Amino acid sequence: KAGVTQTPRYLIKTRGQQVTLSCSPISGHRSVSWYQQTPGQGLQFLFEYFSETQRNKGNFPGRFSGRQFSNSRSEMNVSTLELGDSALYLCASSLVAGGSMTGELFFGEGSRLTVL
Amino acid sequence: GQQVMQIPQYQHVQEGEDFTTYCNSSTTLSNIQWYKQRPGGHPVFLIQLVKSGEVKKQKRLTFQFGEAKKNSSLHITATQTTDVGTYFCAGESYGGSQGNLIFGKGTKLSVKP
Repeated sequence: KAGVTQTPRYLIKTRGQQVTLSCSPISGHRSVSWYQQTPGQGLQFLFEYFSETQRNKGNFPGRFSGRQFSNSRSEMNVSTLELGDSALYLCASSLVAGGSMTGELFFGEGSRLTVL
Repeated sequence: GQQVMQIPQYQHVQEGEDFTTYCNSSTTLSNIQWYKQRPGGHPVFLIQLVKSGEVKKQKRLTFQFGEAKKNSSLHITATQTTDVGTYFCAGESYGGSQGNLIFGKGTKLSVKP
């Protein structure tokens, strides 16, 4: 069974540019979450999609957006990049556990973004 | 909003010593999960706790969920060099927050052989 696939793995952008990251979840997983990981802030929740609908959103500015397609693949976009956006962006997919709880998150390897 | 605090931030131990990391939430949790991230890797699921006062064991790892479902701990007995990594707790609240797993900042464990 293939794991969560994120592309690209590494990318370098300059301030003001925009970037799109892609995530293919494990087959059958309908929930996809995105996290930003930095040394100082740890894993910060960006948003979560389920069946093409954004169910939850973290405390990030509107420059950060995402979407989910009918095949559960997801993309996130960051516009007008800032130096502080340099981070590892992790995508995770999951099944719904019993009682409507989120089940185990399966993380991808991440997309490491460097903003110069 | 919901916050999950985790302490300590760093822990250095001698191989064979025990290790504990603690997690506290500002809100009551429906469940809490624990993850381990090896250096250069991605977080990997360890366990999910759901019931008040729940205790689960995985070999040398013991996980506890507090009675009030607002705190949790992970204890490793007799650490080994393979335990090196950052341990994260992640809590999910009740009330429409499904899918919103909030992570603590993690405890980075180093083990001296």
